[in-house]
Amino acid sequence: DGGITQSPKYLFRKEGQNVTLSCEQNLNHDAMYWYRQDPGQGLRLIYYSQIVNDFQKGDIAEGYSVSREKKESFPLTVTSAQKNPTAFYLCASSTGGSSYEQYFGPGTRLTVT
Amino acid sequence: GENVEQHPSTLSVQEGDSAVIKCTYSDSASNYFPWYKQELGKRPQLIIDIRSNVGEKKDQRIAVTLNKTAKHFSLHITETQPEDSAVYFCAASREKFYFGSGTKLNVKP
Repeated sequence: DGGITQSPKYLFRKEGQNVTLSCEQNLNHDAMYWYRQDPGQGLRLIYYSQIVNDFQKGDIAEGYSVSREKKESFPLTVTSAQKNPTAFYLCASSTGGSSYEQYFGPGTRLTVT
Repeated sequence: GENVEQHPSTLSVQEGDSAVIKCTYSDSASNYFPWYKQELGKRPQLIIDIRSNVGEKKDQRIAVTLNKTAKHFSLHITETQPEDSAVYFCAASREKFYFGSGTKLNVKP
């Protein structure tokens, strides 16, 4: 299970607060991804990064922001502009971009009340 | 963009029977098709994948078939066991990954 970690496992926040989810990998992967998973649904791409200091919006980027200052780290900030932030957030990394296996972190369950 | 549809959403089989899950995709340029298994509250884990230059791939009780012309691919699990019970996701990828909505498989002992 090692290689890609997310913290914390559970996170609770009040509405109107920004919150940052951590994602770290020691697999030496170039590409990293953030997904959101809602109950009974598939994974939807929030942001992805193919290389350090570069990232692209996914399908549901509104209300989220990311940075990629180091190869190992790809933190996701859920801002107060995200209208429905309560969800399970999964980070993933990949060695060769979109044609290779993605390795997922254990996920962070965010609850905003 | 890509659109991946997955069926059925739930599947219940008797232990020892086979299970088949089907996905269709819309972007003919997609070239990588992984299948993931996700147990409740856990991370998705890759169980098998196939690239667009291959029509079929098998790994013990699991196989995947790809029909590029029809733009569909399927997961086949033979001799199902209770520990196969989980949610299965297909995905199609070109620049980025697009996931199906998942199939909840229940294997009854």
